[in-house]
Amino acid sequence: RKEVEQDPGPFNVPEGATVAFNCTYSNSASQSFFWYRQDCRKEPKLLMSVYSSGNEDGRFTAQLNRASQYISLLIRDSKLSDSATYLCVVNFLTGGFKTIFGAGTRLFVKA
Amino acid sequence: NAGVMQNPRHLVRRRGQEARLRCSPMKGHSHVYWYRQLPEEGLKFMVYLQKENIIDESGMPKERFSAEFPKEGPSILRIQQVVRGDSAAYFCASSNTETGGNTIYFGEGSWLTVV
Repeated sequence: RKEVEQDPGPFNVPEGATVAFNCTYSNSASQSFFWYRQDCRKEPKLLMSVYSSGNEDGRFTAQLNRASQYISLLIRDSKLSDSATYLCVVNFLTGGFKTIFGAGTRLFVKA
Repeated sequence: NAGVMQNPRHLVRRRGQEARLRCSPMKGHSHVYWYRQLPEEGLKFMVYLQKENIIDESGMPKERFSAEFPKEGPSILRIQQVVRGDSAAYFCASSNTETGGNTIYFGEGSWLTVV
């Protein structure tokens, strides 16, 4: 089983749609969680951290369920510019801290 | 406020040559990470370094690949005797502490093409 697994995608949605991405992680010692965004042939960029209480940033909402080892990202009112690959990221302690990226879910938002 | 700086951005090597990729972390950051991304694939962890120390190299191929982060100067990822399968984007990232809570920031990547 992979350490971090994501919906494979791609997700094809119209502008204005709401889309949700899911991510599960296998290591119960995981410490912190993030969503990154990666555009084609660009570096990953931090989108938002994920907290147990849930957090929101504009049209983006992230949720963490430690009991189920599950992370989600919700995008409301999708824009064309949201088209990208979304990466679930987990830090866990194994000797030292290790940052593991999910394979990513590709989103295409169409007019 | 310079971010993570990587060079070269693009590198072409013939099979059997050596590739050296350099990474200067963000100012104030002492932890460096290297990731490899093959075409149409996700990011794969390679190595985690602090100044003069390799903390975790569990993702590094056993042969031909090495990394260092000297006391002075950038971190270097070295690939000896490159093969076509080494063609990929190599991303460096840095953080200012162990990544238990802090986020890591990426450079723009170095694209290696082996011909």
